[in-house]
Amino acid sequence: DAGVTQSPTHLIKTRGQQVTLRCSPISGHKSVSWYQQVLGQGPQFIFQYYEKEERGRGNFPDRFSARQFPNYSSELNVNALLLGDSALYLCASSLSTGQGARNEQFFGPGTRLTVL
Amino acid sequence: GQNIDQPTEMTATEGAIVQINCTYQTSGFNGLFWYQQHAGEAPTFLSYNVLDGLEEKGRFSSFLSRSKGYSYLLLKELQMKDSASYLCAVGNAGNNRKLIWGLGTSLAVNP
Repeated sequence: DAGVTQSPTHLIKTRGQQVTLRCSPISGHKSVSWYQQVLGQGPQFIFQYYEKEERGRGNFPDRFSARQFPNYSSELNVNALLLGDSALYLCASSLSTGQGARNEQFFGPGTRLTVL
Repeated sequence: GQNIDQPTEMTATEGAIVQINCTYQTSGFNGLFWYQQHAGEAPTFLSYNVLDGLEEKGRFSSFLSRSKGYSYLLLKELQMKDSASYLCAVGNAGNNRKLIWGLGTSLAVNP
């Protein structure tokens, strides 16, 4: 069974551009979370979606937006890119939104975004 | 406020035992996770504690004390492949059930 998949794996953009990152959860998982991980730090929570609705939002500016589709896949959009947006963007899926051993998050390989 | 503290770096010898500590302060508590992350890869789930006590899973064990806001991850019979970053994450209760992540502990296992 396929795990969480993300595309693209690497991306290079320039300041001011817009980017869309994609994520497909594990089959049967209905919740998708997005994280930003800067080198040497732990993941920072951006969004959580469940059943196409936003269930959680981290401390990120409005330039960051996301959505979830009927098949539970998700997109993360970042507008007006800044140099500081360069990071690894991780997508994680879980069965539902609740926390618990049954709802541990399974991470995709990530998208490495470089903003020049 | 919400905060998670864990040591930045640790070094240990192959075959030894190492304990990685994590202390936390969160508004509400809904379980504590330990993840392993090798360089350039995504985090992978290691353990989950929601009740006080020790959870053992092979060479890895995780302990939780909710009253002290404290957890540790114990790695036994260290192998070179255990060299990685170990992330402590706490689930907070409430409508926004996000995970609060520590910065991670970089463990180097030497021969």
